[in-house]
Amino acid sequence: AQTVTQSQPEMSVQEAETVTLSCTYDTSENNYYLFWYKQPPSRQMILVIRQEAYKQQNATENRFSVNFQKAAKSFSLKISDSQLGDTAMYFCAFSLNTGTASKLTFGTGTRLQVTL
Amino acid sequence: DTGVSQDPRHKITKRGQNVTFRCDPISEHNRLYWYRQTLGQGPEFLTYFQNEAQLEKSRLLSDRFSAERPKGSFSTLEIQRTEQGDSAMYLCASSLVVDNEQFFGPGTRLTVL
Repeated sequence: AQTVTQSQPEMSVQEAETVTLSCTYDTSENNYYLFWYKQPPSRQMILVIRQEAYKQQNATENRFSVNFQKAAKSFSLKISDSQLGDTAMYFCAFSLNTGTASKLTFGTGTRLQVTL
Repeated sequence: DTGVSQDPRHKITKRGQNVTFRCDPISEHNRLYWYRQTLGQGPEFLTYFQNEAQLEKSRLLSDRFSAERPKGSFSTLEIQRTEQGDSAMYLCASSLVVDNEQFFGPGTRLTVL
C-alpha cells in the first residue's frame, strides 16, 4: 500500500516571499504520478501541479514548482512570490500509473497562511 | 459551467435515515471517483468507476454504502442507516483514463444528528 506524509500541519509566509511545503511518500512501484492540490477555505479542491515519476525534470506551473527526488521519495512544493489568494490547505497526493489503479492517496495536508 | 457538480451541497439527517448524493462529472470524462473527507484530514478513497463499471471499492465502503453509475454518466452514492460517524464531506472527482488528472466537485457535506 502507498502512503503519503506531510509533516508540516501549518505554515505561514509573508506576501511576496517564497515558501516550501514538504511531502514524502512510500511505494514499491516505479510508475506513478504525484500531485499537489489546493483547497481554499470552503471552496473546492483544485490541482496545482503534477509530476510523472518517469520524468526527471521537475514540473513548474507559473509561481509553483516542485522538487522531485525519486530515490528519496520526496516531492516538495515551492510557491514563489506568495499571494494572499494562496491561503489554503495544500494536499500532496499519489496515484499509480497503471491501466486500472488510479485512486489518489492523500497526505493529511498543510495549512498555509499568507500574511501581509 | 462544465466542471464537476454535486447535489445536494449540504445534507442534515437523523441517525438511521438513508441519504443519496448525486455527482455529475465533466461530460467527456470516463472515470468517476468518490472520496470522503473528515475535518482536518485529507480525502480518503471510497470507490471509482470506469464508464459504468465499478472497478475498485475501499474497505471504508461498508455494506451500508452503495454507489452506482448507470449508463456511465452521473453517479449516486447512497448511505443506508446513517450513523454519526458518517458525518463528513463527500467529494466526487472525474478524469480521463489517459492522464488521471482528477477534477473535483464542491462536495456534499453530510451531518448526521
